[in-house]
Amino acid sequence: EAGVVQSPRYKIIEKKQPVAFWCNPISGHNTLYWYRQNLGQGPELLIRYENEEAVDDSQLPKDRFSAERLKGVDSTLKIQPAELGDSAVYLCASTADPRYGYTFGSGTRLTVV
Amino acid sequence: AQKITQTQPGMFVQEKEAVTLDCTYDTSDPSYGLFWYKQPSSGEMIFLIYQGSYDQQNATEGRYSLNFQKARKSANLVISASQLGDSAMYFCAMGRYSTLTFGKGTMLLVSP
Repeated sequence: EAGVVQSPRYKIIEKKQPVAFWCNPISGHNTLYWYRQNLGQGPELLIRYENEEAVDDSQLPKDRFSAERLKGVDSTLKIQPAELGDSAVYLCASTADPRYGYTFGSGTRLTVV
Repeated sequence: AQKITQTQPGMFVQEKEAVTLDCTYDTSDPSYGLFWYKQPSSGEMIFLIYQGSYDQQNATEGRYSLNFQKARKSANLVISASQLGDSAMYFCAMGRYSTLTFGKGTMLLVSP
């Protein structure tokens, strides 16, 4: 079984430029999460999807961040325009039953210069 | 609101010894789950162990066990017989079966 697939693995952009991250969850996992992990910190939730519905986006900075999960499968997270403080690792995770933990992807390490 | 506290920024242990990583939590929810994840230097988050708030027995998964003390609101991870490959960041997390809140992590270094 393939795990959670994220791309790109690394991304370096200049500030004010747009950037997008892609995630393909494990087949059959209805719940998908985007987390942001700053250096030396634990992951922080940005958005949670149940199928195609965003059920928790309270921590998503909506002025510059957007996300979508068309057809309830893969998902895209976008930042426009990027700021220096957006440099972090963006983690995607999915689960069929949160009681048994999430499966995380390898993450996208974003560097904004 | 939920809060996870990991007070040990770093821990050192010799190979084959046991080590305990501390985690305390705060929540007003009567039902919740507690999790531990491992993050090696490669960056992926690996699920280790889960404990439900109503579970009577402490969870165990191979060399990992979770020392759950509900009254003290603690959920410490115990790794028995440490191996060099256990060197990594370890995160405690809690959630009410939906969204997890993570602590800041503890870096574990296992020496030969």
